[in-house]
Amino acid sequence: EVQLVESGGGLVQPGGSLRLSCAASGFTFSSYEMNWVRQAPGKGLEWVSYISSSGSTIYYADSVKGRFTISRDNAKNSLYLQMNSLRAEDTAVYYCARDAIVGATSAPAFDIWGQGTMVTVSS
Amino acid sequence: DIQMTQSPSSLSASVGDRVTITCRASQSISSYLNWYQQKPGKAPKLLIYAASSLQSGVPSRFSGSGSGTDFTLTISSLQPEDFATYYCQQSYSTPPHFGQGTKLEIK
Repeated sequence: EVQLVESGGGLVQPGGSLRLSCAASGFTFSSYEMNWVRQAPGKGLEWVSYISSSGSTIYYADSVKGRFTISRDNAKNSLYLQMNSLRAEDTAVYYCARDAIVGATSAPAFDIWGQGTMVTVSS
Repeated sequence: DIQMTQSPSSLSASVGDRVTITCRASQSISSYLNWYQQKPGKAPKLLIYAASSLQSGVPSRFSGSGSGTDFTLTISSLQPEDFATYYCQQSYSTPPHFGQGTKLEIK
């Protein structure tokens, strides 16, 4: 079964750090680009970061640039998000999502999502 | 950045109704438009990719259309399990922004 499972969320104080993990199974992880997407309580979806299949290309949303670092370990089938200098506005469910060219089109989409891990930034 | 705007933000409808949700991009994105469904407490699920292609396993009552800047998601006959929040997303350029969502509620 194709699956993504996030872990590492929790309660952290403002200014603190947290590292999220996303374990992939059921597909060739090293062949796929990956993303982190977050959702604040009661709010919509916000794209956070992207990493290419090899890890050589990385992008961030302006809201997290300079504070968050995305990385991957293809040997361990794992994706990571290191979050530093956390703020209250970073409180959200964080999802990892597979970026794939679906079907016969050339258009990418987030076709597989994990169940999410909750990050709460509060004193 | 390309901004995505959905309308309406919320919608009340009955089982069996035909429903249309609109998504507009701030500039042309060709057909690089995806639709997702999200139920409370669950992860989003891909419904439609490349504006009009149905993801495997998604019922045929869902359809998508449009190109350029204007897109629609149509549910031909609402079923009880379709009451959820729907998001569009552009995959034309980074950042791949989502629309703000449309919450579909039971009338």
